[in-house]
Amino acid sequence: EDQVTQSPEALRLQEGESSSLNCSYTVSGLRGLFWYRQDPGKGPEFLFTLYSAGEEKEKERLKATLTKKESFLHITAPKPEDSATYLCAVQVNTGFQKLVFGTGTRLLVSP
Amino acid sequence: DAGVIQSPRHEVTEMGQEVTLRCKPISGHDYLFWYRQTMMRGLELLIYFNNNVPIDDSGMPEDRFSAKMPNASFSTLKIQPSEPRDSAVYFCASTLGGEQYFGPGTRLTVT
Repeated sequence: EDQVTQSPEALRLQEGESSSLNCSYTVSGLRGLFWYRQDPGKGPEFLFTLYSAGEEKEKERLKATLTKKESFLHITAPKPEDSATYLCAVQVNTGFQKLVFGTGTRLLVSP
Repeated sequence: DAGVIQSPRHEVTEMGQEVTLRCKPISGHDYLFWYRQTMMRGLELLIYFNNNVPIDDSGMPEDRFSAKMPNASFSTLKIQPSEPRDSAVYFCASTLGGEQYFGPGTRLTVT
């Protein structure tokens, strides 16, 4: 069974304190790994797609990386507006367009 | 584009009543997904369509749940009869392939 595990469940940072979120996966064949941001009361918002080990994507203070077993979302010098839940999802080769989501990491950045 | 549109945004109903949730995908997208999100189970895929045809409904919890997509611009998720354990946020998402774009969700409360 395809599984996605995210850690930690919750993370509290001070503004400017860099850290990383982890997404480990066990799948039959990875087609793509997706990162989403979800704010309270809203739907998930797409951030990145990674397709192969070694690939990296960046957007403002966020950088996503991918290995054969896990992905990291690095947050550099976070600001309070980066506070949100970050979701990781995998798309497998046999699942057409289906995504399997992790349970997310709740990030709180304090000023 | 206005993005994925869902209605209603909030629904409160009594146990045993029929509930219908509505979704309008992004124009031109040929995949449509229905998800349910709870604190306990996270984001779960219920069913998805390709070109208006249901592809995978293995996530539909019971026969009380049904979904239709009569045309490319409209889909419904119906729960009949509703139960308190159906209380959750229901999201619709659409894609052309790859990343999915989510609507704002419908918060359902069954009392």
